[in-house]
Amino acid sequence: GAVVSQHPSRVICKSGTSVKIECRSLDFQATTMFWYRQFPKQSLMLMATSNEGSKATYEQGVEKDKFLINHASLTLSTLTVTSAHPEDSSFYICSARTHGTGSYEQYFGPGTRLTVT
Amino acid sequence: RKEVEQDPGPFNVPEGATVAFNCTYSNSASQSFFWYRQDCRKEPKLLMSVYSSGNEDGRFTAQLNRASQYISLLIRDSKLSDSATYLCVVNPNSWGKLQFGAGTQVVVTP
Repeated sequence: GAVVSQHPSRVICKSGTSVKIECRSLDFQATTMFWYRQFPKQSLMLMATSNEGSKATYEQGVEKDKFLINHASLTLSTLTVTSAHPEDSSFYICSARTHGTGSYEQYFGPGTRLTVT
Repeated sequence: RKEVEQDPGPFNVPEGATVAFNCTYSNSASQSFFWYRQDCRKEPKLLMSVYSSGNEDGRFTAQLNRASQYISLLIRDSKLSDSATYLCVVNPNSWGKLQFGAGTQVVVTP
């Protein structure tokens, strides 16, 4: 299957700092990438949909100025958590959908565990 | 009502036994369905896609019942390595915004 990588896998930062998370599709081009957040014992919650070359579409309740998304190429999307606070501590996972019609399968990156102290 | 609902479990299954569980979805126009497996503190991994009336992959069988709006997953001859949380995932349209269930935990015991 398709491979998606994320970096870093784990990050600890102080409150008020910004953290950038990278999501890369390694062996395919991804016109669309998705960013999720998962709190312990809860399901994945979609934060935003990232389309290459255009602005991201954010889900209701997600602050676009706090969670900056850039999808500059067909293989890279970044999520920047600005002015992070302890309540932003979570497991952030990206996924990518392969290009082409009829392919609704999404492949997930290994996730980034963010801890804000 | 949640868009995708699952029994959280846990389903405690003796090794070698069969376990089955369902997932219901609210949008009758949903187009495609998936089962993902998620291990503790890891990302979800695609287990099976369920596009038509159902399909089988080794010990895993998924079925779709559009009339009653549910999909099921059956695991035969359970292995210890099958212990995980199984996520029911629904694609309600062609835009790719997946809807996730909260997951069903399966624990296979020796």
